[in-house]
Amino acid sequence: EADIYQTPRYLVIGTGKKITLECSQTMGHDKMYWYQQDPGMELHLIHYSYGVNSTEKGDLSSESTVSRIRTEHFPLTLESARPSHTSQYLCASSRGQGSSYEQYFGPGTRLTVT
Amino acid sequence: KNQVEQSPQSLIILEGKNCTLQCNYTVSPFSNLRWYKQDTGRGPVSLTIMTFSENTKSNGRYTATLDADTKQSSLHITASQLSDSASYICVVRGGADGLTFGKGTHLIIQP
Repeated sequence: EADIYQTPRYLVIGTGKKITLECSQTMGHDKMYWYQQDPGMELHLIHYSYGVNSTEKGDLSSESTVSRIRTEHFPLTLESARPSHTSQYLCASSRGQGSSYEQYFGPGTRLTVT
Repeated sequence: KNQVEQSPQSLIILEGKNCTLQCNYTVSPFSNLRWYKQDTGRGPVSLTIMTFSENTKSNGRYTATLDADTKQSSLHITASQLSDSASYICVVRGGADGLTFGKGTHLIIQP
């Protein structure tokens, strides 16, 4: 089991609310990622970070923002949640930038916006 | 456009039976291919990684194959168990740091 944690695991929230999804890893990994996954669909990369103070947007456009102030912590924030944001959000980390490095995934946060 | 296609989309087999899941990709240049297992409500966990020079790799009852010429991979599960019920995701790495994910095969093992 990977040492990467996400909270909350489940969240139901009303439209317009600000939310922050937490992700922490204790493996000392430099690279961290956020993916969005809808049921029966592939994972889509929405944000990634190569290290502290480094953040990049992924392949899928997202209205969320991320920060990387500490190596172990990579929170994702939605300033104003909308029903279209309903999805599962998966956080992952990897040791380095080499092509063989495995990404370790957290358990995910299932977000429902009503 | 880089794509990863998996088949079947879903599969139901009886406990103890074998099954094979397929993954076809168009990712170029190819770096490696991973098979992940994703239990319901959990994050994916890596089962095996295949590089260009590897044809077959086993991890317990899971055996992955790779044909880099035809850009096809398969995951064979032997003597299935109830705990094998999950989604199996094929992920191909190509280029500098790009990952392309398949939609997965949803496998159900029935007692």
